Amino acid sequence: AQSVTQPDIHITVSEGASLELRCNYSYGATPYLFWYVQSPGQGLQLLLKYFSGDTLVQGIKGFEAEFKRSQSSFNLRKPSVHWSDAAEYFCAVGATLNAGNNRKLIWGLGTSLAVNP
Amino acid sequence: EAQVTQNPRYLITVTGKKLTVTCSQNMNHEYMSWYRQDPGLGLRQIYYSMNVEVTDKGDVPEGYKVSRKEKRNFPLILESPSPNQTSLYFCASSFINRANEQFFGPGTRLTVL
Repeated sequence: AQSVTQPDIHITVSEGASLELRCNYSYGATPYLFWYVQSPGQGLQLLLKYFSGDTLVQGIKGFEAEFKRSQSSFNLRKPSVHWSDAAEYFCAVGATLNAGNNRKLIWGLGTSLAVNP
Repeated sequence: EAQVTQNPRYLITVTGKKLTVTCSQNMNHEYMSWYRQDPGLGLRQIYYSMNVEVTDKGDVPEGYKVSRKEKRNFPLILESPSPNQTSLYFCASSFINRANEQFFGPGTRLTVL
């Protein structure tokens, strides 16, 4: 069955420290992979996506993620965290275009990031 | 500005009182979808629509209805809300050929008493 696992429910880092949020997926074919961020009381904003090609993708707000097929992982990284990065982060997997009509995203349960000053 | 809008943003209602949450997008997207977000369960798809007059059930459609009479609008209808429908609801849209790159509305927090 298709699934997304975010092993860390909650992470706290100090401002300026590096960050890595883990995401593992289970999918029968090459997936489309996404990271979204949800700030308190806000909607979901797309940080970055992987469809094909270079396995290291750059996103907004200084985030990047690396697709590792052998590990079924798509971890999110940022070299230096800012206080404004405190939010909930969601990893999601999407069906490829030839996998049927529904463009449903399958979501991890999220990682809550707190940033200490 | 390209966006997905939802109304209302917050709603408190009582069991059995019909309500509609509106969703509108101005990006000419074919695909639209409704999700609900619940603690410990993440986001789950309720209904989706591939285009005007084409809708289908997602993973948790019970107790909900949708319609797609116009391309830009995709309202979510709760005919007889119950407390287990208390949740945070998100509408999303995308182009069919842009493989899941979905844009989300700001969310509607619904409480059913």
